[in-house]
Amino acid sequence: DAKTTQPPSMDCAEGRAANLPCNHSTISGNEYVYWYRQIHSQGPQYIIHGLKNNETNEMASLIITEDRKSSTLILPHATLRDTAVYYCIALDRRRGSQGNLIFGKGTKLSVKP
Amino acid sequence: DGGITQSPKYLFRKEGQNVTLSCEQNLNHDAMYWYRQDPGQGLRLIYYSQIVNDFQKGDIAEGYSVSREKKESFPLTVTSAQKNPTAFYLCASSRWEQEISEQFFGPGTRLTVL
Repeated sequence: DAKTTQPPSMDCAEGRAANLPCNHSTISGNEYVYWYRQIHSQGPQYIIHGLKNNETNEMASLIITEDRKSSTLILPHATLRDTAVYYCIALDRRRGSQGNLIFGKGTKLSVKP
Repeated sequence: DGGITQSPKYLFRKEGQNVTLSCEQNLNHDAMYWYRQDPGQGLRLIYYSQIVNDFQKGDIAEGYSVSREKKESFPLTVTSAQKNPTAFYLCASSRWEQEISEQFFGPGTRLTVL
């Protein structure tokens, strides 16, 4: 699976958009970009995933560059409860693959009042 | 409510004792996973199972054992052979059809070996 690179930490003001970048320059054509977050001492929570097109759900938006070498997770109106470690992961979803998520250290997002 | 349960939330054991961590899911998912997390680190895969009565080693399987006798259950045993067992253990599950779906995680079990 492709390795991803994220900044170790970011701050965001409450109510503002949080834009979390991720580089995945070696991603293959079969690998999806997944985002999870982990609030302290809890299990990771799935946020969103995409392959080529931009995606949006009730939690966030995912913007993937045309060459697929990087992506940005957008939390449109960050709240204090969005303070967490955010993980960007490249995953091959085909049945022949192992299917496990390779977590790096992620980005620690601190939302401040 | 559908979901994944892990019990207990906190577990204390003496060094040299085996301990079994429970993981149950009612999502009708085929695949289940066990991960380990150490402080300040990401998750590392211990074992995974794509189907009942079958499981595969992950990246750090030494000192651990699993069983998958039922679709809903995937218990993990931390044996005395695991040199550094104190950690946060997370169980996850996913569908396994034409493609693997996103994984959903349980709340975790924090194991402390004294």
